[in-house]
Order: sequence, then structure tokens, then C-alpha cells
Amino acid sequence: QKEVEQNSGPLSVPEGAIASLNCTYSDRGSQSFFWYRQYSGKSPELIMSIYSNGDKEDGRFTAQLNKASQYVSLLIRDSQPSDSATYLCAPRGGGADGLTFGKGTHLIIQP
Amino acid sequence: NAGVTQTPKFQVLKTGQSMTLQCAQDMNHNSMYWYRQDPGMGLRLIYYSASEGTTDKGEVPNGYNVSRLNKREFSLRLESAAPSQTSVYFCASSEFGADEKLFFGSGTQLSVL
Repeated sequence: QKEVEQNSGPLSVPEGAIASLNCTYSDRGSQSFFWYRQYSGKSPELIMSIYSNGDKEDGRFTAQLNKASQYVSLLIRDSQPSDSATYLCAPRGGGADGLTFGKGTHLIIQP
Repeated sequence: NAGVTQTPKFQVLKTGQSMTLQCAQDMNHNSMYWYRQDPGMGLRLIYYSASEGTTDKGEVPNGYNVSRLNKREFSLRLESAAPSQTSVYFCASSEFGADEKLFFGSGTQLSVL
């Protein structure tokens, strides 16, 4: 049974600050890691993917991966109210099956 | 560009009734998925179809059946609905496998009374 752990929150961050979202996973075979964002009442959308240890930056978003510690994080710089959403972590192992999603962290950016 | 289209958007059933959730994608994707999302439980995979002609069970398949009708369409059937199946159902597709970006439909809110 693959397990993905995320702090459900809510995580409250002032506008303009850095939001840090964390995720741990149990499957050591996981090779790919994805962060999806889900606004309330909407469907998830992919915002970041990371495959190698280290950091990957895309605009205001940085994904960090440490496979030895089975830990992946998402940093959001210069947080905006529009970043308020639930962020879902999804590691993926081998095989053709779908992603295993964490329960998500509810992020609130305070104006 | 429609992407992934799910119907219906809302449905109320009585316990024991049956229904089929429809999903179609117009992106020529090979892989399609059905997830359910419950408060506090996150997204859980019900069934998936890695490619046309194949279907496999996910994490929570009990009480559901699926049909990959063709490359575009992947339906989810509840034969005898139970209150435990009250949930939001999402269909998703990817070009090939879950290493690719998943594109989600807008979801179906299902209530079983």
C-alpha cells in the first residue's frame, strides 16, 4: 500500500511571503513526483513535476526532492491570494497505474 | 477545445439504483482514469485504462465496473448504488501512462440517498 502524507492544514501565509508545502511518501520505488493544485469546487491541475534529486524552479514555484529521505516539497515565492487552493502531492512508481495522491494541504494566502 | 468531458455534473440516486458516468476526451490520449474524492480522503483511483482495450482495478474498485468503449470514451458504472458511494467523481486522461500530465474533467457530484 503506497502512502503519501501531507499536512492537511489549513496553512495560512501572508501575501508576499514564501509558502512551504511538504510531502512524504512510503514507496521507495517512486521515480516521478507531481504537484497538483485544486481550487475549491474545481478539478486538479498539474503545476510542477520533478524526477531528480534537488531543486526545480518554474516561475514562483520551486519543487524540491530528496529521495533518500522520501521527501518532496513545494515552495511558492511571493505568495498571492490567487495561490489559495489545496495542493496535492502525487509520487509515482513504475507500472501503468495511476498516481497515488496525498490528501492535500489547504493553503490560504492572507491579503 | 473541450479536453475531458464528464456527464452528468450532478446526480442524486436512491440506494440500489444503477447509473453510468460518462467520460470522453478529445486529445487522442491513450490512458484514462476514474478517481473519487471524498472530504479528508483525497483522490483515490477506482479503475484505469492504460490503453484502448485494457482496464485494471485501482485502489477502491469494489461496487464499480468500467468500460473502455473506444480510445475516446471511458465509462464508470454503479450497478447498485450505496450511500458509501456518495462522492465527487473525476475522470482523467494522459497521453500515455501516469508519468504524463493528467488532464481532469470537471467532475460529477453524486449523492446516494
